[in-house]
Amino acid sequence: AQRVTQPEKLLSVFKGAPVELKCNYSYSGSPELFWYVQYSRQRLQLLLRHISRESIKGFTADLNKGETSFHLKKPFAQEEDSAMYYCALGTGGSYIPTFGRGTSLIVHP
Amino acid sequence: DVKVTQSSRYLVKRTGEKVFLECVQDMDHENMFWYRQDPGLGLRLIYFSYDVKMKEKGDIPEGYSVSREKKERFSLILESASTNQTSMYLCASSLQGTYYEQYFGPGTRLTVT
Repeated sequence: AQRVTQPEKLLSVFKGAPVELKCNYSYSGSPELFWYVQYSRQRLQLLLRHISRESIKGFTADLNKGETSFHLKKPFAQEEDSAMYYCALGTGGSYIPTFGRGTSLIVHP
Repeated sequence: DVKVTQSSRYLVKRTGEKVFLECVQDMDHENMFWYRQDPGLGLRLIYFSYDVKMKEKGDIPEGYSVSREKKERFSLILESASTNQTSMYLCASSLQGTYYEQYFGPGTRLTVT
């Protein structure tokens, strides 16, 4: 069965430091990977999708099929990046994405 | 912009009450979902629906039921609320073909006392 693992419940960094939120998945087929973000008192929203190879709010994520990872990175964290981040996996055979348990990112001033 | 709305932001109910949580989306999405969001457990799928009157159980359907009589509306029903159903409930919708790009509602914080 497919699974998404976000090994860190909490990640704490200082403003201006690089940040990497880890996401590993288990799936033998061709995955679709996504990052969702939930800022304080806001709704959960899609941040980026691997297929678009886009950079959103300075964040990027590269799908590494060899390591089955889709880590989210930003070179210089900002305080407004503080949020809960969820990695999600789509497997093509189901309507439903599999979500990781989330990582809470706190960026200190 | 897709709008997914939920009937209440905060709800307090007593043990044993029947509870209705309503979700409405305005973008003609085929798929709709109900999740529980609990700290440390992430999002857990309760039920989803891929068409009117169609429903499928998710990972934790026990104690819940759903109704989808119209395409835009998906209701979650707690038949007899219990304290362990105190949680944040999130509704989401997605288009057929882009299932994994979900649009979420603001959530309903339900407290069962």
